[in-house]
Amino acid sequence: SQTIHQWPATLVQPVGSPLSLECTVEGTSNPNLYWYRQAAGRGLQLLFYSVGIGQISSEVPQNLSASRPQDRQFILSSKKLLLSDSGFYLCASVHREDTEAFFGQGTRLTVV
Amino acid sequence: AQRVTQPEKLLSVFKGAPVELKCNYSYSGSPELFWYVQYSRQRLQLLLRHISRESIKGFTADLNKGETSFHLKKPFAQEEDSAMYYCALTGTSYGKLTFGQGTILTVHP
Repeated sequence: SQTIHQWPATLVQPVGSPLSLECTVEGTSNPNLYWYRQAAGRGLQLLFYSVGIGQISSEVPQNLSASRPQDRQFILSSKKLLLSDSGFYLCASVHREDTEAFFGQGTRLTVV
Repeated sequence: AQRVTQPEKLLSVFKGAPVELKCNYSYSGSPELFWYVQYSRQRLQLLLRHISRESIKGFTADLNKGETSFHLKKPFAQEEDSAMYYCALTGTSYGKLTFGQGTILTVHP
């Protein structure tokens, strides 16, 4: 099975500061990769997905961006954080020939 | 638009009692339905999916296309079942998941 490494686990950042969350995948190649966010009181919402290196699709308009510089690396970024960017961010991976998603441990981001 | 609804945010039962976590969905097509679980201090993981039609840790879930439901059931709850449970679906494209808001299940001794 796959292992998803995601860091950092917690992060407190001031408004207007940049953000970079990294996710790497072990145990598979050429997976589909995803960033989800859970805001307070809401379910998990898909932010971005990627079907290959350099291929990023955004699901919701927002202050964030994503990149996939390598097959098993997925990065979530922001140039200037907003208070509304606070939440719990999860990276996930799905093998192309299956539908089971594997998740990282998540990052709790607090923008102050 | 696809949607997953879990009407109960919190559910409490006593050990040995039956438990049912409700999930309703809307999707114009044939989705694949899942239950994911997150135990304390562990990552979110797959519990079961409707295409497998199997029981995991005593849990079962039947897809009812007429009622568009995928309720999770267990006849005798155990304390170790206490966790956050998410119902989710995926349609045709790229394995993207739509999640419900989650239900926190607490099983009391």
